[in-house]
Amino acid sequence: GAVVSQHPSRVICKSGTSVKIECRSLDFQATTMFWYRQFPKQSLMLMATSNEGSKATYEQGVEKDKFLINHASLTLSTLTVTSAHPEDSSFYICSATRRAEAFFGQGTRLTVV
Amino acid sequence: DQQVKQNSPSLSVQEGRISILNCDYTNSMFDYFLWYKKYPAEGPTFLISISSIKDKNEDGRFTVFLNKSAKHLSLHIVPSQPGDSAVYFCAASALVIQGAQKLVFGQGTRLTINP
Repeated sequence: GAVVSQHPSRVICKSGTSVKIECRSLDFQATTMFWYRQFPKQSLMLMATSNEGSKATYEQGVEKDKFLINHASLTLSTLTVTSAHPEDSSFYICSATRRAEAFFGQGTRLTVV
Repeated sequence: DQQVKQNSPSLSVQEGRISILNCDYTNSMFDYFLWYKKYPAEGPTFLISISSIKDKNEDGRFTVFLNKSAKHLSLHIVPSQPGDSAVYFCAASALVIQGAQKLVFGQGTRLTINP
């Protein structure tokens, strides 16, 4: 069964609104989670490293004020896309590591209209 | 700068034959490599991995080969089955943060197995 659960799997929102995506590690604690983004027919690009109890670490070129990450507990990290624009439409995926193996959530398809 | 490259965007193989997916990397600091399988609108699922201290790892129908001098790895699937049709991502890791792997992915190769 899934060890990392991501919700929602699909969301459509209007431009200018904010969307929150949740990533939960099931039955294990993850002090570190990662958030990726995938454009159509392209690679998964690491956006940020989510650290429990501290600020997230963002990759170069990723706007931290636009993609807010909160890792308030050892089993939950959230990614909030603020003031979404159509160019933010993408597939977002989180991952957490259990016993040195990275597991991925089911992904979230975000469409901004 | 693409540190992990999969130069073949697609590959078509007949059922029962061997599928070979290739991956090249540029960062010599990478010490752990993984292959993931991905279906549309789903997250990647782990297939097989290899540490840089090895040159081969086998798990059932899947074998990964690593050539460090050439900075090249490949995934062999034999025999190929229709259910293997998916996009395969090669990933590399050089950094472990509190036990978590920070992965760099290739662009993916879409494998189609023809009956």
